[in-house]
Amino acid sequence: EDQVTQSPEALRLQEGESSSLNCSYTVSGLRGLFWYRQDPGKGPEFLFTLYSAGEEKEKERLKATLTKKESFLHITAPKPEDSATYLCAVRPETSGSRLTFGEGTQLTVNP
Amino acid sequence: NAGVTQTPKFRVLKTGQSMTLLCAQDMNHEYMYWYRQDPGMGLRLIHYSVGEGTTAKGEVPDGYNVSRLKKQNFLLGLESAAPSQTSVYFCASSFGGGIEQYFGPGTRLTVT
Repeated sequence: EDQVTQSPEALRLQEGESSSLNCSYTVSGLRGLFWYRQDPGKGPEFLFTLYSAGEEKEKERLKATLTKKESFLHITAPKPEDSATYLCAVRPETSGSRLTFGEGTQLTVNP
Repeated sequence: NAGVTQTPKFRVLKTGQSMTLLCAQDMNHEYMYWYRQDPGMGLRLIHYSVGEGTTAKGEVPDGYNVSRLKKQNFLLGLESAAPSQTSVYFCASSFGGGIEQYFGPGTRLTVT
C-alpha cells in the first residue's frame, strides 16, 4: 500500500532559524513528488514537483530535495509569512493521475 | 483568471438532506478532482474526471456522486447527507494527469 508520512507534525521556529521538513514515502514506483503550502482556511497552493532522486528545486527561501525514500523541504532564514501547513503528495506509478497526500507539517515562524 | 472557484463557501445540512457543490475552472484543464480534508486524515480523493463526460472513483467515493457535463465544471452531489460527511471539500484541476494540481478555496460542510 502506498504511504506518505510527514514529520514533524508541527514545528515552531524563530525568524531566521533554518530547518527542514521531512516527507517519507513508500510507493510502488514514484512518478512524481509534490509539495504544497496551505494557509488556514484556504486551498493548497502548489510549490514544487520532483521526479527523480537527486533532483532539487528552489523558490525564495524554500528548497525541495528528493531521494529514493524521502523528500526534504529546507527553509532557510524563515520569516513569519512562511507560517503555513506544508503538504507532500506522491504519484505512484500504478495510480494513474491520482495523488496520495501526507497529513502535513504545520510550521509556525515567530518574529 | 479566477483559477478554480467553488460554490458555496459554507453550508450546513441536516441529516438526509441533499446538496450539490459546484467547481469551476477557467484554465482549460482536462482533469478535475474532488477531495475531502479531515483532521488527522489529510486530503483524500473522492472522485475525479479525466475529461468532459468522464468520471472515476477515488479513495472514498461512497455517498457521493459527480458529473462533468462541461469541461470547465465538476459537480459533487450528496444525495442523503450523513454526519460523517462533515468536512472541508476541495476541488482541484490539472492540465494533464499526474502533474501539479491547482486547488480551489474549499467548501466547509457541516451535517447535523
